[in-house]
Amino acid sequence: LAKTTQPISMDSYEGQEVNITCSHNNIATNDYITWYQQFPSQGPRFIIQGYKTKVTNEVASLFIPADRKSSTLSLPRVSLSDTAVYYCLVGDMGGYQKVTFGTGTKLQVIP
Amino acid sequence: EPEVTQTPSHQVTQMGQEVILRCVPISNHLYFYWYRQILGQKVEFLVSFYNNEISEKSEIFDDQFSVERPDGSNFTLKIRSTKLEDSAMYFCASSPGTGVRQPQHFGDGTRLSIL
Repeated sequence: LAKTTQPISMDSYEGQEVNITCSHNNIATNDYITWYQQFPSQGPRFIIQGYKTKVTNEVASLFIPADRKSSTLSLPRVSLSDTAVYYCLVGDMGGYQKVTFGTGTKLQVIP
Repeated sequence: EPEVTQTPSHQVTQMGQEVILRCVPISNHLYFYWYRQILGQKVEFLVSFYNNEISEKSEIFDDQFSVERPDGSNFTLKIRSTKLEDSAMYFCASSPGTGVRQPQHFGDGTRLSIL
């Protein structure tokens, strides 16, 4: 898996848009970018995955620039329940069977 | 939406005892995994399982650990002789296939406390 770098923590007020950026300078051609979310005392939950440009689902958007050396997870209008750790993972389609989690970004939403 | 379910949610065991953690993966998934997370630390891969055999394991998964799919629905992790350092959250995951485009779905874990 390509090495990723993301901020250790972020604070945001309720109702704001939150953008978490992940750097992955060594991303390979076949690599996809995947984000997971983990609430306290729960298992990681898949949020979104993309290869290039922009992907949007009901939870978040993922922006990937043309060089793919970074990506930004965007959470619109966060609420207190979005307080969690967010993990950025980069890997190829050929299949890794294990997910290697880093320390992630701990997002604290403040009322 | 289908879920991975794990039982029990909390297991307290004396050191040296055997413990079995149970998981019911999503029904049409083919690949199964166990991870653990020691309090305050990263989620760590333990083992992956496919077609009734281990396909990959980490250095953590030593001879004290074993996995089994005893029937068509359950997937278990057994720790033969527990140690204090086995205290952690244990997560089961499943995926329809390997690869990044087949994201793994995780259960909510079993908190294992070794006394």
